[in-house]
This record gives sequence, C-alpha cells and structure tokens, in this order.
Amino acid sequence: AQSVTQPDIHITVSEGASLELRCNYSYGATPYLFWYVQSPGQGLQLLLKYFSGDTLVQGIKGFEAEFKRSQSSFNLRKPSVHWSDAAEYFCAVYGGSQGNLIFGKGTKLSVKP
Amino acid sequence: GAGVSQSPSNKVTEKGKDVELRCDPISGHTALYWYRQSLGQGLEFLIYFQGNSAPDKSGLPSDRFSAERTGGSVSTLTIQRTQQEDSAVYLCASSVSGGAEAFFGQGTRLTVV
Repeated sequence: AQSVTQPDIHITVSEGASLELRCNYSYGATPYLFWYVQSPGQGLQLLLKYFSGDTLVQGIKGFEAEFKRSQSSFNLRKPSVHWSDAAEYFCAVYGGSQGNLIFGKGTKLSVKP
Repeated sequence: GAGVSQSPSNKVTEKGKDVELRCDPISGHTALYWYRQSLGQGLEFLIYFQGNSAPDKSGLPSDRFSAERTGGSVSTLTIQRTQQEDSAVYLCASSVSGGAEAFFGQGTRLTVV
C-alpha cells in the first residue's frame, strides 16, 4: 500500500539557518508528490509539487524539494529559515484508492530567534 | 470566493448531538474531498465526490458519518450522535476533475464535550 513517512516529528532551527525536512514514500508507479504547510488554526497551503521532469522543484516562500527515485525521497529544503516559517509541514503522495492524497504525519518546525 | 470555504470554523457540541459541517469548493472544481485531522493520527481521508456522486464510502469512520453533495457544488458532512473521539479538524479540499492538485479550506475544528 502507498504510504508516506516523515521521520522527524519536531525540528527546531535557528532563524537564518538552513532547513531540510525529510519525506520518504512508498508508491509503485511514478509518484505525484506534494509538500503542504499548515500554520496554527489554518488549512493546508501547497508549497510545491512534483509530477515529472526536473527532479528539483521550486515552490513558494523560497522552498525547494528534490525528488530522488533511488531513495524514494522527496525532501524539502530552504537555505535560510525565517521566523514566519514556523508551522507544520506535510508531505503527501497522490494515489489513494479514490484519487486522494496520502499524507505523512507531519513535521512541526520551530524557529529560534 | 476564490478559495475553498468551510463553515463553521469552530464548533463545540455536546456528546450525542448531531452536527453538520459545510464545504463550498472552488467554482468549477468537480472533485471534492473530506479529510479528518486528529491529534496523533495525522490526516485521514474520509470521502471523495466526483460531481454529486461518492462511489466509495468505506473511508467514513462509522455509520454515524454521512456526506452529500448537491448541484455539484456545496457538500455537507454530517456526524450523528457525536462522540468525544469525533473531536478533530475536518478539512475539505477540491480539485479540477480529480486532478492531483487539491486546494484545501481552513477546516472546521469540532470539539465534542
């Protein structure tokens, strides 16, 4: 069955430091992959997506992610974190039985001043 | 509006009462999804509509849950005889004809006391 694993439940980084959030997926075919961000009390906002082509995808707010088929990974990165990036981040793969997204359990990001 | 709209944003109800949650998708989006976000459980897929039809209701947690969609637009998720374990954030998403990119509403936070 398809699944998404986000190994880190909570990460704390200093403002200005670089960030990498890990995501591993299990999916038989070429996956459609997504990263969403959720601020407290808010819905999910799409940061970026991978469907095909270039394995390094750029998203909003200065985020990027790299698809690595050999590692079944789609890690999210940002070179310099801002305090406003503190939120929960969800990785997802498209391909549930009804065309739904399958989500990881999320990584909560805290940013130290 | 331009985005997915959910109402109410917050709902506190007594155990045993029925509740209705509403989702108004992006205009023109034929696919609509309901997810539940519980503490420690991540994002759980509940049901998918293509137009007014929900071909598979097996994702609904129990027979106390039902959903409908009318006119290919607004959807309501109804929970009968609410229980404390129903407390969660209920998220609605829509996409163009079941396409992979889904747009989420702000969610309804349901608290059963």
